Amino acid sequence: AQSVTQLGSHVSVSEGALVLLRCNYSSSVPPYLFWYVQYPNQGLQLLLKYTSAATLVKGINGFEAEFKKSETSFHLTKPSAHMRDAAEYFCAVSDPPGGTSYGKLTFGQGTILTVHP
Amino acid sequence: SQTIHQWPATLVQPVGSPLSLECTVEGTSNPNLYWYRQAAGRGLQLLFYSVGIGQISSEVPQNLSASRPQDRQFILSSKKLLLSDSGFYLCAWTARWGRADTQYFGPGTRLTVL
Repeated sequence: AQSVTQLGSHVSVSEGALVLLRCNYSSSVPPYLFWYVQYPNQGLQLLLKYTSAATLVKGINGFEAEFKKSETSFHLTKPSAHMRDAAEYFCAVSDPPGGTSYGKLTFGQGTILTVHP
Repeated sequence: SQTIHQWPATLVQPVGSPLSLECTVEGTSNPNLYWYRQAAGRGLQLLFYSVGIGQISSEVPQNLSASRPQDRQFILSSKKLLLSDSGFYLCAWTARWGRADTQYFGPGTRLTVL
């Protein structure tokens, strides 16, 4: 079974500071990994995804994440936070093609990012 | 381009009343469809998924059911709502063929059961 752990349900940073949101996964097969962002009362929007190509993945809005197999991690970073980055962020895992859970996502509990002026 | 719709956007229902939430996808055919529930502080829980008309898989036992009467329509229902059914319900789709790894989400329905 797959699982995702997001360390820290709330993260607070100052505008212009580094954003680091942590995600660790557990999977019996090489995983596909995703980060989604959710603004209040809206659906989820894909930020970026890792699908076994380059381990450093760049996404929208200046975010990136690095897949580290040895650490079973897929942390999300952004060099300089902006007020508009305030939202809830979800890490998710699925199987690769051919896996029983391909196309089905297992989500972490989410991390709420607050950005202070 | 593909678009996913959900309605209603918000709903307040009394305990014991029925429920019907609808999700439709435009701009694609034969999608895989998913229903999630997001309860306060509990992340997203996959409720149902469907790979075709009339084909529904339930991920967790509960007071809800799902149906797919048409290729791009996915309905979430309940005969009698419970307080614990309150939450934010999200519908999502993936492509059936090719790159089916990415799920695209609708705007969600906020359900409050009183």
